[in-house]
Amino acid sequence: ETGVTQSPTHLIKTRGQQVTLRCSSQSGHNTVSWYQQALGQGPQFIFQYYREEENGRGNFPPRFSGLQFPNYSSELNVNALELDDSALYLCASSLDRGYTDTQYFGPGTRLTVL
Amino acid sequence: GNSVTQMEGPVTLSEEAFLTINCTYTATGYPSLFWYVQYPGEGLQLLLKATKADDKGSNKGFEATYRKETTSFHLEKGSVQVSDSAVYFCALINNAGNMLTFGGGTRLMVKP
Repeated sequence: ETGVTQSPTHLIKTRGQQVTLRCSSQSGHNTVSWYQQALGQGPQFIFQYYREEENGRGNFPPRFSGLQFPNYSSELNVNALELDDSALYLCASSLDRGYTDTQYFGPGTRLTVL
Repeated sequence: GNSVTQMEGPVTLSEEAFLTINCTYTATGYPSLFWYVQYPGEGLQLLLKATKADDKGSNKGFEATYRKETTSFHLEKGSVQVSDSAVYFCALINNAGNMLTFGGGTRLMVKP
C-alpha cells in the first residue's frame, strides 16, 4: 500500500511569484488536508478537501487555494508569495472526514521564498 | 477555540531513562487526541491516538491516557532509546473532523 506522497521535495521561489504543490493521497482515502509548518513550530491547518469540495479552512488568506481531483489527489496553490510563506507544507490524507479518522501525513514540501 | 499546550524542550535523557512529555488541551465537545512524531527532515508519523475519555493509546512502548477531568494526554515511555530522538507533537481534532490543532512540539534528545 502506497502512503501519502508529495512533490516537489524542495522549492525555491522569489517574492510575488506563484507556486503549486502536489499531493497524492493514500489508496482508498477520500479526504486531504493541508498544513503549514514554520521552522520550530507545530503545523497550522490551511484547509481540507472532501470528495473534491472544500470542507473547512483555517486562518489563511484567499491567496492560499486548493483543488482536489476525482482520484482524490490534491494541489495547494499560493499566489503572490511572501517571505513568511517559507515553511514546510504538509499534506495528510484520511479514509473519511470524521473526527475519528486518522490523518496520515506525507513527507512535506520545503518552500523557501527569497 | 481549541488549543494544545505541551512542555517546551529540548528534553535530554540518557538511554533507558523514563520519559514523560506533558500535554494539556482546551477544546469544546469531545475531541480525539493524538501524538505524532517527526524525525529530522521528515513529515509527521502517527505514534498513538485515543478517541474518548479514559482510552489509552499505545505503540512502540509509548503510552498516553485521555484524561478528561484534567484535560491532559501525557506521553510516557518506560525506557527510551537513542532512536527515539525526534520532535513529538500533541494534537487534537475538532468534532467536525477537519482540523488538527497541534502543540508547539517537544524535542527529545536521547544520549547513549
